[in-house]
Amino acid sequence: GQQLNQSPQSMFIQEGEDVSMNCTSSSIFNTWLWYKQDPGEGPVLLIALYKAGELTSNGRLTAQFGITRKDSFLNISASIPSDVGIYFCAGQRSNTGKLIFGQGTTLQVKP
Amino acid sequence: DAGVIQSPRHEVTEMGQEVTLRCKPISGHNSLFWYRQTMMRGLELLIYFNNNVPIDDSGMPEDRFSAKMPNASFSTLKIQPSEPRDSAVYFCASSSYSGGEETQYFGPGTRLLVL
Repeated sequence: GQQLNQSPQSMFIQEGEDVSMNCTSSSIFNTWLWYKQDPGEGPVLLIALYKAGELTSNGRLTAQFGITRKDSFLNISASIPSDVGIYFCAGQRSNTGKLIFGQGTTLQVKP
Repeated sequence: DAGVIQSPRHEVTEMGQEVTLRCKPISGHNSLFWYRQTMMRGLELLIYFNNNVPIDDSGMPEDRFSAKMPNASFSTLKIQPSEPRDSAVYFCASSSYSGGEETQYFGPGTRLLVL
């Protein structure tokens, strides 16, 4: 079945550092989404990407939809302690509504 | 908007008991999704509805699981009888398809522990 490979699995960084994580797939997706999950909460949408090559920013977050439609990355600049959490990528094929999730990247930020 | 509402937030029950999880989607959204999250398997889609009709239930583990959506503002996920391996966080999400774009918004989840 479809799978998303998300890397790295975890990161432990110093406050102020930039962070990069990515997702790759063997299948093409028409939408890529990035979510963040805080402990005890549901995933919260960070960025949605709908077109191949699209580069979108949301504050310190930047995400890109790969040209091949099989990958996406998320960058966080100048990390702060509240960036701590689990980040998930998710791919969606059009007209199905189904999201396929990556395994998640656990981010820890040391003040 | 209140977002997706789920209840209860926590549920502890004994093996064999019936468990009912509830979800109220965002008003105006026409798709509703039930997910299960565990450490071992991550986030898995169980079932989703479009305009109150079940579209894909291939992720439902077995016959002990059932889901209904009697109207656009309410859905239930029922487990009968429950087993310890059902312990997980269950999320409901809703979305609205518009102009080729569809984004799912998640509820806070129900943390289920089956003893």
